Amino acid sequence: EADIYQTPRYLVIGTGKKITLECSQTMGHDKMYWYQQDPGMELHLIHYSYGVNSTEKGDLSSESTVSRIRTEHFPLTLESARPSHTSQYLCASSEGTGLNTGELFFGEGSRLTVL
Amino acid sequence: GEDVEQSLFLSVREGDSSVINCTYTDSSSTYLYWYKQEPGAGLQLLTYIFSNMDMKQDQRLTVLLNKKDKHLSLRIADTQTGDSAIYFCAESRGSTLGRLYFGRGTQLTVWP
Repeated sequence: EADIYQTPRYLVIGTGKKITLECSQTMGHDKMYWYQQDPGMELHLIHYSYGVNSTEKGDLSSESTVSRIRTEHFPLTLESARPSHTSQYLCASSEGTGLNTGELFFGEGSRLTVL
Repeated sequence: GEDVEQSLFLSVREGDSSVINCTYTDSSSTYLYWYKQEPGAGLQLLTYIFSNMDMKQDQRLTVLLNKKDKHLSLRIADTQTGDSAIYFCAESRGSTLGRLYFGRGTQLTVWP
C-alpha cells in the first residue's frame, strides 16, 4: 500500500482565496508530481520535482506554484483561486534511481471547488 | 491531439471477459502501464509491461503489446462487479522514467 497522503480531500472555497494543497510521502522517493484530472479527460502533469529545491512546470500550464523544501513534502499553492481552478488534483511520487519501472504511487486526490 | 487514446466506456456482464484497448504514438516508450481508479480514490498500478515484451499475464489480467501498431490491451478474465472502475493506460518515454503520459481512461461497468 502506497504511503502518500493528500489533504484536504475536499475543499470548497470562494473566488480570490489563497489555498494550499498538501502532499506528503513516507517512502523516501526523490521524484514527486502534481497531476490535474477533470472528468473524462487525461491526467495532465502540472508540476514535478526530481529532488529537494528542484521544481519544474509540467505539460499543462497552471497558475499554481509548488515548493520542495523537504524530500517528503510537495505542497501546491494557488494565490487567488478562480472557478476555472475547479478540478481534482492528484499528487504522486516515484523512485528516482536504480532499475525501477517508473511506477507512480498516487495519493487519493484533493477535489477543489471554487465558487 | 491525444498521445494516448482509449475508448471511454465499456460494459460487460459479470463472469465475462473484458478487453480494454489503448493506442499510443511514441515509439520510444519504454514501459506501458495500466492503472485503476475506483470512485473517490487515487490511481493504483494494476500491471505494467516493458516495451520489449509481447505479453504479460498476472492472475486474471493479461496485457498484450503490439509495438508495430502501438497498441496495448488489458484483458480481465471472469470480470467481477468489484472490477468496475476507470482504467487508465499510460506510457513512459525514453529516459524520463516516472513522468507518465495518460489516456482519458475507460469507465468499466460490470453488470450482475
